[in-house]
Amino acid sequence: GDSVTQMEGPVTLSEEAFLTINCTYTATGYPSLFWYVQYPGEGLQLLLKATKADDKGSNKGFEATYRKETTSFHLEKGSVQVSDSAVYFCALIRPSFSGGYQKVTFGTGTKLQVIP
Amino acid sequence: GAVVSQHPSRVICKSGTSVKIECRSLDFQATTMFWYRQFPKQSLMLMATSNEGSKATYEQGVEKDKFLINHASLTLSTLTVTSAHPEDSSFYICSASKMNTEAFFGQGTRLTVV
Repeated sequence: GDSVTQMEGPVTLSEEAFLTINCTYTATGYPSLFWYVQYPGEGLQLLLKATKADDKGSNKGFEATYRKETTSFHLEKGSVQVSDSAVYFCALIRPSFSGGYQKVTFGTGTKLQVIP
Repeated sequence: GAVVSQHPSRVICKSGTSVKIECRSLDFQATTMFWYRQFPKQSLMLMATSNEGSKATYEQGVEKDKFLINHASLTLSTLTVTSAHPEDSSFYICSASKMNTEAFFGQGTRLTVV
């Protein structure tokens, strides 16, 4: 079955440091890949997505590139801020050609702590 | 983007009572919604798939009689935790998606059973 593996945290960085959170996946076909962010006490928000190989998703300074050859979707940000402290989930969704629902396969989440 | 609203955001209940959590898609119709439970070390576990007008599909190990799911309309799914116990205390999150797009998540419900 589908699976997503992401690096364990917590990851602690100083403000303005470079961030990489690794994510690899196993899936048949051509899934769409996502990064979701969860701030303390809140639900999940979509951070960025990529729907096909070599696509780059970007938002709020975060980027991730869909690498089919390495089955990876690593999250990067050049300069983190304290406000980026959250839990980050890598996820995949396989398209439903019959339409309708999408079951999301999540990684275990990586907690990021950014200190001033 | 699409909005999924979950209510309540926090609830405290006594052991043995039942609690209902609502999940609404506010600006789109969702024939299918999903319910997740998030454990203390942050991992998300899919509990069940809620299908409008039919029975929910539960993941292995999830007690269907304990976690009742009803999806009475295209915009509302409810999760009822029956005869709650302290071990049911958790963060419950619902999601819904439009056809072949990303999933949209509710804000989550923190359930504490005392």
